[in-house]
Amino acid sequence: EDQVTQSPEALRLQEGESSSLNCSYTVSGLRGLFWYRQDPGKGPEFLFTLYSAGEEKEKERLKATLTKKESFLHITAPKPEDSATYLCAYETQGGSEKLVFGKGTKLTVNP
Amino acid sequence: DGGITQSPKYLFRKEGQNVTLSCEQNLNHDAMYWYRQDPGQGLRLIYYSQIVNDFQKGDIAEGYSVSREKKESFPLTVTSAQKNPTAFYLCASRKTAGSGNTIYFGEGSWLTVV
Repeated sequence: EDQVTQSPEALRLQEGESSSLNCSYTVSGLRGLFWYRQDPGKGPEFLFTLYSAGEEKEKERLKATLTKKESFLHITAPKPEDSATYLCAYETQGGSEKLVFGKGTKLTVNP
Repeated sequence: DGGITQSPKYLFRKEGQNVTLSCEQNLNHDAMYWYRQDPGQGLRLIYYSQIVNDFQKGDIAEGYSVSREKKESFPLTVTSAQKNPTAFYLCASRKTAGSGNTIYFGEGSWLTVV
């Protein structure tokens, strides 16, 4: 069964303390790997889509990378407003319409 | 502004009642989706529609029904057959189905059974 695992489940950082979130998946034929940010009680907000191993994308303090088995979301010098739950999901080739979501990493950045 | 609008934001249902959650998008997207989110779990796909007048069951379709009579609209009905309907429901859309294109989400609807 296709799976995606996010780690850690929760992460507490001090403002300015850089770290990485992990998203590992067990699937061949990846069509896309998606990262979203979700604030409490809100819908997920799109951050990045990665399509092939070696690809990297950046947005402000966030940088997403992709290998054949996992993706990382690197957070550089985080601020309290970066506190949120970060979700990853993948889509496989082969006609399935399903995105498989991880359970998320809840990030808290303390001032 | 373009986007996905879900309503109502909060809905309370008595046991045995059907309720309908609205989802409207003005992004000219072909594909639309309904997901359910429960605490500590990933998003799970309920139904999806790739084109008007066509829709497919997702992983947890039992107790739910949908229609897609217009490109812009994809309402979800939570029927009395759904045994545990209390959850956060998310509508989403993307330009074309199965293409790796980005899926965008609405702000969600909270459904509580009282």
